Amino acid sequence: GQNIDQPTEMTATEGAIVQINCTYQTSGFNGLFWYQQHAGEAPTFLSYNVLDGLEEKGRFSSFLSRSKGYSYLLLKELQMKDSASYLCAVREQRGGSYIPTFGRGTSLIVHP
Amino acid sequence: ETGVTQTPRHLVMGMTNKKSLKCEQHLGHNAMYWYKQSAKKPLELMFVYSLEERVENNSVPSRFSPECPNSSHLFLHLHTLQPEDSALYLCASSQDQAGADEQFFGPGTRLTVL
Repeated sequence: GQNIDQPTEMTATEGAIVQINCTYQTSGFNGLFWYQQHAGEAPTFLSYNVLDGLEEKGRFSSFLSRSKGYSYLLLKELQMKDSASYLCAVREQRGGSYIPTFGRGTSLIVHP
Repeated sequence: ETGVTQTPRHLVMGMTNKKSLKCEQHLGHNAMYWYKQSAKKPLELMFVYSLEERVENNSVPSRFSPECPNSSHLFLHLHTLQPEDSALYLCASSQDQAGADEQFFGPGTRLTVL
């Protein structure tokens, strides 16, 4: 099984930078995903990390350290529309199957 | 239709009813998933199918019964549910289980059990 931990809620100012952390414990790590979920909507994919390091995608970047069981999502130049829940998901290999487990999500509130 | 669709979008049922949720993906993906999302709880994986074969049943009560007749369709059959089963049920698909394949989610079915 897995234990995924991320902060429940964060607030930030429009135009600023925010970092959302995710720590996990797993025995068969096979990739880490970040998803964004606006209230009342389905989650949508943001990023994927399987090797250590930083993946950059426009205003969003995601970092992974497998040895530390740690990832973060970095959001730059925050906009009001970035107010949403951010879900960290760790995929684990169990035999021949690959099973994703989600954290509780971090609710980000961006204010003017 | 594109992406992942789910029907119905809202469902209210009594504890003695039998109903089914339907999911369809138009992406040519090989893996499909059912999740339960309750308030203040993480997204809970219920079932995973890969190439129409169930590969994971995450200790889900037998009152939930999945069916995957082909790689494009996934059903969740419901019977004798409990009020605590009220939640948002999300379907997702991915190209395959592994690799950099992200999951594409449907809009969900909001289920209320009275």
